[in-house]
Amino acid sequence: GAGVSQSPSNKVTEKGKDVELRCDPISGHTALYWYRQSLGQGLEFLIYFQGNSAPDKSGLPSDRFSAERTGGSVSTLTIQRTQQEDSAVYLCASSPQTGREQYFGPGTRLTVT
Amino acid sequence: QKEVEQNSGPLSVPEGAIASLNCTYSDRGSQSFFWYRQYSGKSPELIMFIYSNGDKEDGRFTAQLNKASQYVSLLIRDSQPSDSATYLCAVRGGETSYDKVIFGPGTSLSVIP
Repeated sequence: GAGVSQSPSNKVTEKGKDVELRCDPISGHTALYWYRQSLGQGLEFLIYFQGNSAPDKSGLPSDRFSAERTGGSVSTLTIQRTQQEDSAVYLCASSPQTGREQYFGPGTRLTVT
Repeated sequence: QKEVEQNSGPLSVPEGAIASLNCTYSDRGSQSFFWYRQYSGKSPELIMFIYSNGDKEDGRFTAQLNKASQYVSLLIRDSQPSDSATYLCAVRGGETSYDKVIFGPGTSLSVIP
């Protein structure tokens, strides 16, 4: 079956612009996670959803970052007023339910110039 | 103390040898444990998960869990150059963080032909 998809695969934006990153989870998966990975670094947890609710937003780096999930499916991560330090690969993962194994999408590589 | 710890490596083993990757965690109540493999420039992919003390085998991979010692390991038998990647350990939290999955920093494995 179809895996997790993310779009765009690459995004280059100018400092100060807003960006939206999209994640389509595996059908039927109720849990959805967003991570950030800078070059050569580990996974940095950002936020997770159970259904459309986000019980844990503790990983969002600043109030410039927000995320939503609608219909228990697609999720959007929005970064406002992007900064150069936001440059990273943003990974989305879905899971049959929270705390279970996660399946990752291919990621969105964000470059802020 | 970090919640999930791994040796960063790199761990180098000759082709055909057994590679042993180790992970320790701090939350004694943790229940579920996962191993992911991440090739350079790619997203993590699930290798195995283990919930009970003891060994779990899947092909050339064996996961070992010792909850008393708060230790989980991954053994790769007959290592191949294609096993060269970063291996991420992930742990589902205990009672106070039941839905949270914490990733370790990863261990880089290099299998030498």
